[in-house]
Amino acid sequence: DAKTTQPTSMDCAEGRAANLPCNHSTISGNEYVYWYRQIHSQGPQYIIHGLKNNETNEMASLIITEDRKSSTLILPHATLRDTAVYYCIVSYTGANSKLTFGKGITLSVRP
Amino acid sequence: KAGVTQTPRYLIKTRGQQVTLSCSPISGHRSVSWYQQTPGQGLQFLFEYFSETQRNKGNFPGRFSGRQFSNSRSEMNVSTLELGDSALYLCASSGGRSDGYTFGSGTRLTVV
Repeated sequence: DAKTTQPTSMDCAEGRAANLPCNHSTISGNEYVYWYRQIHSQGPQYIIHGLKNNETNEMASLIITEDRKSSTLILPHATLRDTAVYYCIVSYTGANSKLTFGKGITLSVRP
Repeated sequence: KAGVTQTPRYLIKTRGQQVTLSCSPISGHRSVSWYQQTPGQGLQFLFEYFSETQRNKGNFPGRFSGRQFSNSRSEMNVSTLELGDSALYLCASSGGRSDGYTFGSGTRLTVV
């Protein structure tokens, strides 16, 4: 079973920030938080990951709470092409690594 | 650089047959994982290979098997196909440690 909990869906207006929450209250100390998204019928796309500190890349920002029990993915300026299912996953790395996908959150960006 | 390449993109097989799917990872990536995606069960982990060794395995029957070659290319095989094996099969590769996985576009298998 997935170790994360996400809302089923959310929407936001094009050009606005999209804040996608994720709860992972049972995360272990050496598990990373990964975010992927999947646009219909395509393979999942890696977005960002982090362990403890907040992270930012060209696609998004990841904010992890100090107790690491929850995180938020931020798409700073959502576009219509960001409409997708977003998966929050906690995972070990190395020999124990595997991605356990939950149902994800469907983000709909409206014009 | 080239992404993860999966072949074929589409496949139709008959119940009872077997099928082999191929995955070429990103150059330099030694970890290759396979996932099955169905509307009912979502994305499920099948197995992971690293340097030709299966390192991790999901909860699938023994009809599902895989292997990895010395050039990191991987194949997965499904024997005695069942209707329920119809799915999108995804391959992902990673450069290791905490790197994220890069997924291919998948092979759409239909069993009739």
